[in-house]
Amino acid sequence: AQSVSQHNHHVILSEAASLELGCNYSYGGTVNLFWYVQYPGQHLQLLLKYFSGDPLVKGIKGFEAEFIKSKFSFNLRKPSVQWSDTAEYFCAVKVFSGYALNFGKGTSLLVTP
Amino acid sequence: DTGVSQDPRHKITKRGQNVTFRCDPISEHNRLYWYRQTLGQGPEFLTYFQNEAQLEKSRLLSDRFSAERPKGSFSTLEIQRTEQGDSAMYLCASSFGSGGGYNEQFFGPGTRLTVL
Repeated sequence: AQSVSQHNHHVILSEAASLELGCNYSYGGTVNLFWYVQYPGQHLQLLLKYFSGDPLVKGIKGFEAEFIKSKFSFNLRKPSVQWSDTAEYFCAVKVFSGYALNFGKGTSLLVTP
Repeated sequence: DTGVSQDPRHKITKRGQNVTFRCDPISEHNRLYWYRQTLGQGPEFLTYFQNEAQLEKSRLLSDRFSAERPKGSFSTLEIQRTEQGDSAMYLCASSFGSGGGYNEQFFGPGTRLTVL
């Protein structure tokens, strides 16, 4: 079945620690890939996206993600997290010819001071 | 505020009642989407409009659900005979584009529905 899997449901890190959140998908063909973030009390915001070209994409607030086609993965990374990165992170996949975003279940990140 | 807006933000209703939610997309966006998010899950796609045409509906959209976008601007999502399982956050998103390919979806704050 087509799906988006996020490996970690809850992550707790100390400030300045490095972050990597895993995302794997099972859709065939050309896909567009996204990471969305939802800060406490706020709506979903786009963190970064991959459409084509360089598989290493940079987003807002120092986040980056790497698309590895052979592994069907799009992992999110940040070298040094801040307390303000505490949020829910969602990986999403859109089939190129489709309209819907297909989301993973999300990863709740808590960054402690 | 030029983002996607949704009304109401919260709705509490009794089982069996009908509810209607409204979404106002970003003004120049021709595409509008509805998603549903339950606790511990990511958003799940419900339906998609391009202008006033409803082009795609998820299997999640049972016959108790109906969505409209009569003039290609705002949209409404109605749930008839609500059930407790309908309790969720209902999200609206909009984008601008034509054909397939990439177009960034901008999300609204959502309407949280609680069915008692």
